[in-house]
Amino acid sequence: DIQMTQSPSSLSASVGDRVTITCQASQDISNYLNWYQQKPGKAPKLLIYDASNLETGVPSRFSGSGSGTDFTFTISSLQPEDIATYYCQQYDNLPLFGGGTKVEIK
Amino acid sequence: QVQLVQSGAEVKKPGASVKVSCKASGYTFTSYGISWVRQAPGQGLEWMGWISAYNGNTNYAQKLQGRVTMTTDTSTSTAYMELRSLRSDDTAVYYCARGRQLVVFDYWGQGTLVTVSS
Repeated sequence: DIQMTQSPSSLSASVGDRVTITCQASQDISNYLNWYQQKPGKAPKLLIYDASNLETGVPSRFSGSGSGTDFTFTISSLQPEDIATYYCQQYDNLPLFGGGTKVEIK
Repeated sequence: QVQLVQSGAEVKKPGASVKVSCKASGYTFTSYGISWVRQAPGQGLEWMGWISAYNGNTNYAQKLQGRVTMTTDTSTSTAYMELRSLRSDDTAVYYCARGRQLVVFDYWGQGTLVTVSS
């Protein structure tokens, strides 16, 4: 079975900082990876699909990259409204989410 | 606009069953799949399975095989998820999500809290 390791599990950054989250798959999943944002008490929201494609309507400060086993999600300039938990999700096999990264403001 | 509206919160006793509904609107229901994802309190997201609204084909997470059934009613554009033999660790918020190519979850329901308690 594919395992997804997402890191860090939490981070604290200042407004305007560049924030990076990584997701590592236990085997090659090509570009079959999505990224979601979940704010407290709300449903997740799709931000990035197929590793690097920005979903329509999502601000351009969000980006994704990677292929194979190593993937990166970046917020180029952290905004207060970006406080949330972020999840990667692979779909090379049956869908599987990473453990999540809680992003807080320093 | 695309909307997925789920049924309300449920409280069940251990061993009982629960059936959650997810009514879709704003798109052609049979052109997409529906996945169900749950989230235990304070925990991450767990994919439970999907159903093709086109032909009713299903695929369930291995750990839930035998306890979960997903169905659709194309006449009302509604998806259903039934979970049987409930245990306390099934307490969670259950989400339905539209699956673009089955696996890209682009729209989500508001979530349904299912509490399993004696």
